[in-house]
Amino acid sequence: QKEVEQDPGPLSVPEGAIVSLNCTYSNSAFQYFMWYRQYSRKGPELLMYTYSSGNKEDGRFTAQVDKSSKYISLFIRDSQPSDSATYLCAMSALAGNQFYFGTGTSLTVIP
Amino acid sequence: DTAVSQTPKYLVTQMGNDKSIKCEQNLGHDTMYWYKQDSKKFLKIMFSYNNKELIINETVPNRFSPKSPDKAHLNLHINSLELGDSAVYFCASSPQGRGLNYGYTFGSGTRLTVV
Repeated sequence: QKEVEQDPGPLSVPEGAIVSLNCTYSNSAFQYFMWYRQYSRKGPELLMYTYSSGNKEDGRFTAQVDKSSKYISLFIRDSQPSDSATYLCAMSALAGNQFYFGTGTSLTVIP
Repeated sequence: DTAVSQTPKYLVTQMGNDKSIKCEQNLGHDTMYWYKQDSKKFLKIMFSYNNKELIINETVPNRFSPKSPDKAHLNLHINSLELGDSAVYFCASSPQGRGLNYGYTFGSGTRLTVV
């Protein structure tokens, strides 16, 4: 079983829709959770970062962590065509330790 | 001013050849990584160096050898290239030792195609 599971999609939504992206994990020691966005032929860039459980909001993006269910989510409100990319979740057990990545979900926002 | 730069961006080579990929970061980070991303976008760590010292060495064939001449540089040398080595190789760096993990800054990748 992979450490981190993520539905690869592809996911296609109309502009303005609310997008929900999710990852599940098996290692209960994970405490650091991140979302990366990767545009085609580019490196991943850090989008959101949360520590332990709870919500974090940044503009149109909200990251949620539910450690009891081993489930994390990224919500994108008022989605824009520029949000079209692959979204990767990543998580780590300890500060300074390596991150385990999901396989990424490919999102297309249609104008 | 590129934070993490990799060269070359594209590399097409024949089976059996030896090739190197170079990475440099100007962020002052202590730790650098090599990741391999396959055609399904799965990112898998290969190596990690902290201040020139190897700290993560995942199950990777001996044909892959990292070298870190200083903490701003991490190169990857691959011997006897095989078809299965075709992938995108990402270099990344992160600040460590602050009690919190700030995540990685990735380079733009080296697309390796072995023919």
